[in-house]
Amino acid sequence: QKEVEQNSGPLSVPEGAIASLNCTYSDRGSQSFFWYRQYSGKSPELIMFIYSNGDKEDGRFTAQLNKASQYVSLLIRDSQPSDSATYLCAANNFGNEKLTFGTGTRLTIIP
Amino acid sequence: KAGVTQTPRYLIKTRGQQVTLSCSPISGHRSVSWYQQTPGQGLQFLFEYFSETQRNKGNFPGRFSGRQFSNSRSEMNVSTLELGDSALYLCASSLAPRGGSTGELFFGEGSRLTVL
Repeated sequence: QKEVEQNSGPLSVPEGAIASLNCTYSDRGSQSFFWYRQYSGKSPELIMFIYSNGDKEDGRFTAQLNKASQYVSLLIRDSQPSDSATYLCAANNFGNEKLTFGTGTRLTIIP
Repeated sequence: KAGVTQTPRYLIKTRGQQVTLSCSPISGHRSVSWYQQTPGQGLQFLFEYFSETQRNKGNFPGRFSGRQFSNSRSEMNVSTLELGDSALYLCASSLAPRGGSTGELFFGEGSRLTVL
């Protein structure tokens, strides 16, 4: 069992709608959680991180963390075609840069 | 500000050979990590270096090794290549303030290795 699990998709969402991406993790020692976006043929780039239970908003993006359920999600509001990419969920423990990544969810925004 | 630079971008090797990949981090970044990306396994952590010392290591065989130089540049080496080593090898740098971690990794474009 992978330590970080994601639905591989593909997830298709109409333009302007809310895209919801989900991730679960098995290591209860995980402290920090990250969402990276990877366009086809490109390298991953960080879009959000969250440490505390609850919601964290940044523009059109909202990350949600529930440590009791070991669940992390990313909501993208007003989805744009430029949001079409693979979204990678990652976790680590405080004090080291070793990130454990999920296999990613491929998101397609339909114009 | 220049990003993370990896060389070579593409290379083809045959089984049994060895390969060395190079990574130049963003200026001022002291931590360098290496990841292997394959379609089936996704991104898997290889190792992380900070101040020329390996701080963390993933679950890869000893054929995979790395090092970091005093200028924070890093190299990774894979010896006795196997077909399954074909992958995109990504280097990432991070600021690692005061030797800590942020999880904010800046990735290079990767070195795509094909083993025949």
